[in-house]
This record gives sequence, C-alpha cells and structure tokens, in this order.
Amino acid sequence: KQEVTQIPAALSVPEGENLVLNCSFTDSAIYNLQWFRQDPGKGLTSLLLIQSSQREQTSGRLNASLDKSSGRSTLYIAASQPGDSATYLCAVTGETSGSRLTFGEGTQLTVNP
Amino acid sequence: NAGVTQTPKFQVLKTGQSMTLQCAQDMNHNSMYWYRQDPGMGLRLIYYSASEGTTDKGEVPNGYNVSRLNKREFSLRLESAAPSQTSVYFCASSTGPWMSSGNTIYFGEGSWLTVV
Repeated sequence: KQEVTQIPAALSVPEGENLVLNCSFTDSAIYNLQWFRQDPGKGLTSLLLIQSSQREQTSGRLNASLDKSSGRSTLYIAASQPGDSATYLCAVTGETSGSRLTFGEGTQLTVNP
Repeated sequence: NAGVTQTPKFQVLKTGQSMTLQCAQDMNHNSMYWYRQDPGMGLRLIYYSASEGTTDKGEVPNGYNVSRLNKREFSLRLESAAPSQTSVYFCASSTGPWMSSGNTIYFGEGSWLTVV
C-alpha cells in the first residue's frame, strides 16, 4: 500500500526566507505527483503537477522536483511571503492504486511578517 | 465561477441520524469524488464516480452511500451517523477519472460534520 509522508509537519519562517518542503512515498510506481495548497477552512488548490517522466515543474516562486527512484519530492518556495501561509499537501497517483490519489498529511507553513 | 459547491458547510448530527451531503460542479467534468480529512490521517477517498451512471468504492466506504444524480451532482449519504464519521468532507471533480493522465482535480470548500 502506498504511503506518503511529509516532513516537517509544521514550519514557521520569517518573511523573505527561501524554504523547502519535503514529501516521500513508499511505492515508486507512480504516474505523477501533485502539490496542493489548503487555506484554513477551505478546499485544496492544485499548485504543481509533475509527471513521472519529469524532474521538475516551476510556477512563479514555486519549484517542485521529483526523484521517482528514491521516492522523494521537494517543493521549493522562494522569497516567502505572509500570503504563502497555508498547509501544503503532496499526493501521488499510483500505478497500483487504480490511478487514484494518495495524500500526505501536509506541512503547515507560517510565514511571519 | 462557482467550480465545486458543497452544502451544508456545517452540520451537527446525533448518533443514528441520517443526512445527505450535496455536491455540484459547473465545469462539465466527468468524474467526481468524495474525500474525508481527519487529523493524522490525511485525505482519504470514500467513493468516486468515474462518469455519469457509475460509482465505485474508495478507501473508506463503510457507513456511506453515494448517488450520481446527473453529470453535475454527486451526493454522499450517511444512513446512521456514528461519532467516527465526525470529519471534514470534501467533494472534488476532474475532467476524467484517471489522475494518471494528469487531470487537474478541483475541490469544494468542505463540509464540517460533527456527530455527537
């Protein structure tokens, strides 16, 4: 069974800092990996999707990398801002899970002004 | 630009009561999903509908039923609510059923359910 782990569970940084969120998964047989953002009391919004054949994806200040063989992904946030405060979740689409998403528990990020 | 709309937003139920969570999407998506989110457990798939007229069990289907009423609407029913069903429920939709093709998934804002 696929398991997705995110470290750290919570992170507090000063504004302007560059930061890295980590995601690991136990079964490397995946189609893709997605990073989501969840604001308090809200649903999830997809940020970046990396196909298994890709190494990274970029959107603005966000860069996500994927090392499928080692079962790891990182989300890099450059020049963090208070508006980046949210919970960030990663999810993988497994080849052996009916192509459905398996989520990690998320990293709660607080960016202090 | 509604996207995925869920009702109700908040609900308190007594053990044994029944209720239905409603979900509608206006993006002409074929596939719809119901997830629950619990502390320490992440999001878990309850049921999904790959296309209109079909429904399938997800990871945690026990105690729930679903109905794909039409292409737009997908409801989740708790027949006899239990305290273990206290959770935040999310409805979601996507163009197609298989995330393998990189379909973007869109989530509603959640329904907070407490069973006492």
